[in-house]
Amino acid sequence: MQLVESGGGLVQPGGSLRLSCEGSGFTFRTYWMNWVRQAPGQGLEWVANIKEDGSETHYVDSVKGRFTVSRDNTKNSLSLQMNSLRAEDTAVYFCARDYARTLGNGRHYYMDVWGKGTTVTVSS
Amino acid sequence: DIEMTQSPSSLSASVGDRVTITCRASESIDNYLSWFQQRAGKAPKLLIFAASRLQSGVPSRFSGSGSGTDFTLTISSLQPEDFATYYCQQIYSGPRTFGQGTKVEIK
Repeated sequence: MQLVESGGGLVQPGGSLRLSCEGSGFTFRTYWMNWVRQAPGQGLEWVANIKEDGSETHYVDSVKGRFTVSRDNTKNSLSLQMNSLRAEDTAVYFCARDYARTLGNGRHYYMDVWGKGTTVTVSS
Repeated sequence: DIEMTQSPSSLSASVGDRVTITCRASESIDNYLSWFQQRAGKAPKLLIFAASRLQSGVPSRFSGSGSGTDFTLTISSLQPEDFATYYCQQIYSGPRTFGQGTKVEIK
């Protein structure tokens, strides 16, 4: 099982960038997928996720209206379109698979497979 | 949003030590909590899910406990490869917030 991110780079404030994440070794279309980021020297921040069929998405407040998560299950691909980028969006961006498991008290989701990350730098 | 607070922020320990890291949620999250290990420059690795369930392939020296608002990650006998930063994450509701991390350093 593997996730590989791509698309990172240097972009000016206010610019746009599109990240991709390609999955292999598992049935991509049957999993929720996530984006998580880590600013330099900082902790982890969950950014967004998307349902198996793409019909439902969720975002952290700081990126709502600027970032859009999408997927193409025919290509085992996850994307993050990032617009109106700010300096504070500078980070390593990871994609991660959500594994779902039903336990005694309900359905649990946990991020069990991660990519190595792609670096986004927003600077003039 | 649910806030997750870890303590301590960092600790120094020796190989063979028992290490305990605490994570507190700002409201009850039942047992919807995961623990991750992140070595420098690497992606996070899942250790524990549902507060106390050991992920496949993770050494048994790692254990998790707790429910509601208070949780603990314990490493029973610290090994050289365990020096890393550890994060808790809630998956109960809203944005899947992480704790700020606990860095485990060599004493």
